[in-house]
Amino acid sequence: DTEVTQTPKHLVMGMTNKKSLKCEQHMGHRAMYWYKQKAKKPPELMFVYSYEKLSINESVPSRFSPECPNSSLLNLHLHALQPEDSALYLCASSQGPGQPSYEQYFGPGTRLTVT
Amino acid sequence: GESVGLHLPTLSVQEGDNSIINCAYSNSASDYFIWYKQESGKGPQFIIDIRSNMDKRQGQRVTVLLNKTVKHLSLQIAATQPGDSAVYFCAERQQGAQKLVFGQGTRLTINP
Repeated sequence: DTEVTQTPKHLVMGMTNKKSLKCEQHMGHRAMYWYKQKAKKPPELMFVYSYEKLSINESVPSRFSPECPNSSLLNLHLHALQPEDSALYLCASSQGPGQPSYEQYFGPGTRLTVT
Repeated sequence: GESVGLHLPTLSVQEGDNSIINCAYSNSASDYFIWYKQESGKGPQFIIDIRSNMDKRQGQRVTVLLNKTVKHLSLQIAATQPGDSAVYFCAERQQGAQKLVFGQGTRLTINP
């Protein structure tokens, strides 16, 4: 299984809502990533978890809160978002630090619209 | 700004021709490079990668060339097909770093 799954595929939320994005992989990867991608732009890294610990936070606003409950799951909790946060949110995974492969496997993304 | 960039934002080729997508990088400490293909509404899909101790790597219909002297990376697609239409991103990894830095992307369109 070389698949990263993400739910939901689409999400529309108001600025006062609280919602969560979910990501799952069963490749035994120990690093997981959240990216944000605006239209016609490359993915921008938000967070990296290595061995279930947050290792990189790219100065992301606190209205985005990541969580890694176990090595297969990654969540992104959303609260009080702004319309400019509307984007495609991508999850990725890789083998992890010290491992031979650096390739990141991406999920299909969650298309988020903030109204 | 980003250390990885592309020479052309769009590329149009005739079906059956070869495509060459270019990428420039500025960080000589980068030791790993990867090409992704992203179709509309989908996540990036791995195409091919190369480490800095190599100059060339071939896959099925794709070849990646790395010129460390001029910090240049290219993706060659042989016999381009309609299914190759997508945005192509190069990305680099600095030695010892955990993250990838993505270039701005090139949209490849195929003319029948």
